[in-house]
Amino acid sequence: ILNVEQSPQSLHVQEGDSTNFTCSFPSSNFYALHWYRWETAKSPEALFVMTLNGDEKKKGRISATLNTKEGYSYLYIKGSQPEDSATYLCAFPTGTASKLTFGTGTRLQVTL
Amino acid sequence: EAQVTQNPRYLITVTGKKLTVTCSQNMNHEYMSWYRQDPGLGLRQIYYSMNVEVTDKGDVPEGYKVSRKEKRNFPLILESPSPNQTSLYFCASRTAQARSGANVLTFGAGSRLTVL
Repeated sequence: ILNVEQSPQSLHVQEGDSTNFTCSFPSSNFYALHWYRWETAKSPEALFVMTLNGDEKKKGRISATLNTKEGYSYLYIKGSQPEDSATYLCAFPTGTASKLTFGTGTRLQVTL
Repeated sequence: EAQVTQNPRYLITVTGKKLTVTCSQNMNHEYMSWYRQDPGLGLRQIYYSMNVEVTDKGDVPEGYKVSRKEKRNFPLILESPSPNQTSLYFCASRTAQARSGANVLTFGAGSRLTVL
């Protein structure tokens, strides 16, 4: 089973703080790197899919970068808000891209 | 509204009593997949299907069966459930067009299963 690792496992920040977390994946046979946001009691929702080395994606206060050569992606949240509290998952397609292997996630809690 | 619908959302059952979790999508997606989520572990793929009548094992297929007789439906069958199958299950789908590894998944709301 392919290793997709995320760090930290959990993070607790105050409203207004900026934060970032990491997803590490194998750098060989790269197809794409997915980021999902999973709020408690809801289903995971796609944030970004990144396909090219050096890709940068942005959605509101959330952005992500990709380095396929060294096998990592960073997710940044600028000015965290309580509604950003969720688990952030990254996922990496493998094989013929038919399988998507997920990391264990970074659980973010933003307090007032 | 584009969605993936799973039923039941919650189920408590007993060891050995066959059950089926249904999954249906209205987006005409070719690809469908089942995942389970357990504390401390990432989403782990159980089975997936690239299209009608095409299914394959994921990382944790033991104790599960699936079928894909219609494009929109992908039921998960537990023939003889055991307590270690107590988990949160997600069905998901995506298009399989073009660079399929770059197509994001749309998830159902999840089915929480408890096997006593």
